[in-house]
Amino acid sequence: GNSVTQMEGPVTLSEEAFLTINCTYTATGYPSLFWYVQYPGEGLQLLLKATKADDKGSNKGFEATYRKETTSFHLEKGSVQVSDSAVYFCALSREGSGGSNYKLTFGKGTLLTVNP
Amino acid sequence: EAGVTQSPTHLIKTRGQQATLRCSPISGHTSVYWYQQALGLGLQFLLWYDEGEERNRGNFPPRFSGRQFPNYSSELNVNALELEDSALYLCAGQRTASYNEQFFGPGTRLTVL
Repeated sequence: GNSVTQMEGPVTLSEEAFLTINCTYTATGYPSLFWYVQYPGEGLQLLLKATKADDKGSNKGFEATYRKETTSFHLEKGSVQVSDSAVYFCALSREGSGGSNYKLTFGKGTLLTVNP
Repeated sequence: EAGVTQSPTHLIKTRGQQATLRCSPISGHTSVYWYQQALGLGLQFLLWYDEGEERNRGNFPPRFSGRQFPNYSSELNVNALELEDSALYLCAGQRTASYNEQFFGPGTRLTVL
């Protein structure tokens, strides 16, 4: 079955540091890949996505590249801010048998804390 | 445009009771997914509704059920509540069944005492 493995946190960085959160996946076919962010007490917000190999998703300074050869989708940001403190989830979806059914399979989440 | 809404924000029940959670997707979005976020178990797919029909369910017992209304809003029912049902329940809407991007609501925190 499908699965997502992401680096376990927590990750603690100083403001303006470089961020990498590793994510690898197992899936048949060609899944779409996502990063979601969850701020304290809130639901999930889509941060970025990529739907095919070598696609780069980007948003708010965050980037991730769909690497099919290494089955990875690592999240990076060049300079983090205190406001980036949140839990980050890597996820995949792929078309189910019979079409559609894009249920998401999530990694366990990585807690990022950015200190001033 | 209004985002995905869920109600109530918090729900406290005792073992054996029933819980009803509600979700309204973005206007015009026809598919609704439900996920459970339990401590230590991460986010798990529960149910998928599209055009008023249950299309798929995750590895959860039948006491988790729901429905989707003609206006595409959805309801999740959990019968015979158990302590381990305590979790954040997230609903996500999707424009159509074939449009692969989900928009999440803020969730309902269910506590079972």
